[in-house]
Amino acid sequence: DAGVIQSPRHEVTEMGQEVTLRCKPISGHDYLFWYRQTMMRGLELLIYFNNNVPIDDSGMPEDRFSAKMPNASFSTLKIQPSEPRDSAVYFCASYRSGGGNTIYFGEGSWLTVV
Amino acid sequence: GDSVTQMEGPVTLSEEAFLTINCTYTATGYPSLFWYVQYPGEGLQLLLKATKADDKGSNKGFEATYRKETTSFHLEKGSVQVSDSAVYFCALAFSGGYNKLIFGAGTRLAVHP
Repeated sequence: DAGVIQSPRHEVTEMGQEVTLRCKPISGHDYLFWYRQTMMRGLELLIYFNNNVPIDDSGMPEDRFSAKMPNASFSTLKIQPSEPRDSAVYFCASYRSGGGNTIYFGEGSWLTVV
Repeated sequence: GDSVTQMEGPVTLSEEAFLTINCTYTATGYPSLFWYVQYPGEGLQLLLKATKADDKGSNKGFEATYRKETTSFHLEKGSVQVSDSAVYFCALAFSGGYNKLIFGAGTRLAVHP
């Protein structure tokens, strides 16, 4: 299996620009999670989906952040407009219910906003 | 609420030393417990897990035992290698259709030759 695939791996953008991060979960997984990792706050769950439906977005920091999952094999996390404090590593993860509770992570998208 | 507490790092060891990274949890109910590892520049990988009390998870020489009485899941390895240098995260999750990992803050391990 290819694992969770994220793109881009690295992005540097200017403040105010729109950023779109992409994720392809493992085939057959019905849950998808977006996490953010920073030195100050560690790993934070931003939002998660079940069968493409957003279940809990309470971790999304503010309205500048939005996430979609138009189908079972694709999700996006968008930041518009971006700010320097959004600089972080964003991880996508997926999980198959009944699959032994193991969540699989992608390699992350390393975002720098200057 | 449910939470995970890990010992603060960094932990610095010489090669072949014994490793312990402490992890305790607070949870309503009986979660599954996990250790994830993050190597420099990479994502998180599942290292081991245990799903019920007294279970021992093990992988790559690491092991951890689910202790319900002390609500702990300490990570141990008898002889660390330089290649074990990474950040280690303890986490919990509840089984069933709803599954959200709750992570500890992570413990950085640096192993020197």
